Amino acid sequence: DTAVSQTPKYLVTQMGNDKSIKCEQNLGHDTMYWYKQDSKKFLKIMFSYNNKELIINETVPNRFSPKSPDKAHLNLHINSLELGDSAVYFCASSRDRGPNQAFFGQGTRLTVV
Amino acid sequence: QKEVEQNSGPLSVPEGAIASLNCTYSDRVSQSFFWYRQYSGKSPELIMSIYSNGDKEDGRFTAQLNKASQYVSLLIRDSQPSDSATYLCAVNDHNQGGKLIFGQGTELSVKP
Repeated sequence: DTAVSQTPKYLVTQMGNDKSIKCEQNLGHDTMYWYKQDSKKFLKIMFSYNNKELIINETVPNRFSPKSPDKAHLNLHINSLELGDSAVYFCASSRDRGPNQAFFGQGTRLTVV
Repeated sequence: QKEVEQNSGPLSVPEGAIASLNCTYSDRVSQSFFWYRQYSGKSPELIMSIYSNGDKEDGRFTAQLNKASQYVSLLIRDSQPSDSATYLCAVNDHNQGGKLIFGQGTELSVKP
């Protein structure tokens, strides 16, 4: 069983479109994250939810909106996609909001054309 | 701005040698440190965590932490071609719970 799974794995779309990425974890963790990895492999946090509550909201455009229907799911919706949004987006989870290890999903490679 | 810095490499070592990967961090009160390995096109995978000063060994991997110098390193003994990957150093932001701040990663290439 995949511990943290996200869909789709690849997403190619045109500028201006709206798209969503879904993430689910079956580890029983309380905290989930979205990270963005740019073309230089730099991995940076975007959002974090703990038991459906938003606890980290980094400086990202408000075109990005996370949604957590329950603690096992964290989705990312992106409006009005721009070329600069092209990156690999990783979902991750950890046991709780304390300083402990994070487990990553397989990533979604988003390409905006 | 809190930072984690690594040499981007590539670091090239012959098979069987010791690979030494280094990382420095700017937030003096950081408490938790992690090394992730990322193969090309794959997700980061945790290989080591360290929380207190000194060495922590796990198989061929040894993590070393020196909080006074704000320095954490990863040694890989008997390097194998399968160790070729990007190694990401990550530090917990103590003000924001589980948030990880990553370095830019060091690309390691182990030559047969």
